[in-house]
Amino acid sequence: AQSVAQPEDQVNVAEGNPLTVKCTYSVSGNPYLFWYVQYPNRGLQFLLKYITGDNLVKGSYGFEAEFNKSQTSFHLKKPSALVSDSALYFCAVRDRLGSGNTGKLIFGQGTTLQVKP
Amino acid sequence: EAGVAQSPRYKIIEKRQSVAFWCNPISGHATLYWYQQILGQGPKLLIQFQNNGVVDDSQLPKDRFSAERLKGVDSTLKIQPAKLEDSAVYLCASSFPRGGNTGELFFGEGSRLTVL
Repeated sequence: AQSVAQPEDQVNVAEGNPLTVKCTYSVSGNPYLFWYVQYPNRGLQFLLKYITGDNLVKGSYGFEAEFNKSQTSFHLKKPSALVSDSALYFCAVRDRLGSGNTGKLIFGQGTTLQVKP
Repeated sequence: EAGVAQSPRYKIIEKRQSVAFWCNPISGHATLYWYQQILGQGPKLLIQFQNNGVVDDSQLPKDRFSAERLKGVDSTLKIQPAKLEDSAVYLCASSFPRGGNTGELFFGEGSRLTVL
């Protein structure tokens, strides 16, 4: 079964410093990987995805993620954090269609990012 | 482009009462999902529709939860009777089918349910 793990409940960084939010996955075959962000009392917003190709994926708001197949990781990164980046971040893997898979998105438990001024 | 619309945003009920949530997906999106997000956890899929047919309801507690998507557009999720553990945010999402299922899901703002 496909699964995603986010090993840190919370990440604290100072504004202007680089940030990393970790994600590891377990899938059969090649994965479709996503990052979403959730601000308080809001729905989830799509940040970026990896489907195939370049291992470094660029997304919204200056975020990027690095796909590492050997380490089965898809860590979210940003070179310089902003206070406004403070939110809840979810890594997710999507089923590929076929073999009983329906294409649903399976989420990790989330990581709270706190950026302090 | 209008996003995924959900209502109500907030609902407080007593246990054993019933509640219904409504979702209108992005126009043209054939696939609709209902997720349950309990505080401190990632969203969990309850049910997935493709047009008006159910694709996956394996994690839907069918003794109390039901969902329908008549005419393949908007959808309703019902809970009857509600239990304390149903307190959560119910997220609706939609997606446009792309080859290999590579597209992202678009989420509504959610309906927060508190069961007392």
